[in-house]
Amino acid sequence: GENVEQHPSTLSVQEGDSAVIKCTYSDSASNYFPWYKQELGKGPQLIIDIRSNVGEKKDQRIAVTLNKTAKHFSLHITETQPEDSAVYFCAASKSSGGYQKVTFGIGTKLQVIP
Amino acid sequence: GAVVSQHPSWVICKSGTSVKIECRSLDFQATTMFWYRQFPKQSLMLMATSNEGSKATYEQGVEKDKFLINHASLTLSTLTVTSAHPEDSSFYICSARSQPSGTTDTQYFGPGTRLTVL
Repeated sequence: GENVEQHPSTLSVQEGDSAVIKCTYSDSASNYFPWYKQELGKGPQLIIDIRSNVGEKKDQRIAVTLNKTAKHFSLHITETQPEDSAVYFCAASKSSGGYQKVTFGIGTKLQVIP
Repeated sequence: GAVVSQHPSWVICKSGTSVKIECRSLDFQATTMFWYRQFPKQSLMLMATSNEGSKATYEQGVEKDKFLINHASLTLSTLTVTSAHPEDSSFYICSARSQPSGTTDTQYFGPGTRLTVL
């Protein structure tokens, strides 16, 4: 099955600096890669996603890049703010047996220091 | 759009009782809903996938008689933890998908339900 590795597990940055979280996946059939932000005691919220036919996508301060050949994708947050502090999960998804199966990374706890 | 709610958000029960958790898609019809379990400081573990009107598909190691899933309508799925024990204490999260099966699409997550079994 799919295996998604995510690093770092924790990340501390100064407010205003950039944060980068990297993930790798094993199954070349995966074709959809969402990123989720989870605040304490809440469910994950989709923040950005990318599909396998695209190499990069940007939404304001957040960007995601995908390298299908190397099977890795990254989340970039620029001009970080304290409210960006949360746990971020990457995921890889593909169709399997008629439904979409999503495999999550282990998560990265991001702390933005004011 | 794409809002998913869960109820209750927090429940405490005695060992041996059953607990039902509801998951609703508020502004879209969910052909498929997923149930996850999350332990503290860990990632989400998929428990089962349910399609409206059919039996749920459980992941390996998840007891179907222990975790009963019903997806009776396109906007509601329920997870019942039967004869709950302290080891069932966890954060349960549902997600919903609006696209037909087999297509690449997005899962929208509910806010989660914290279950504590005494």
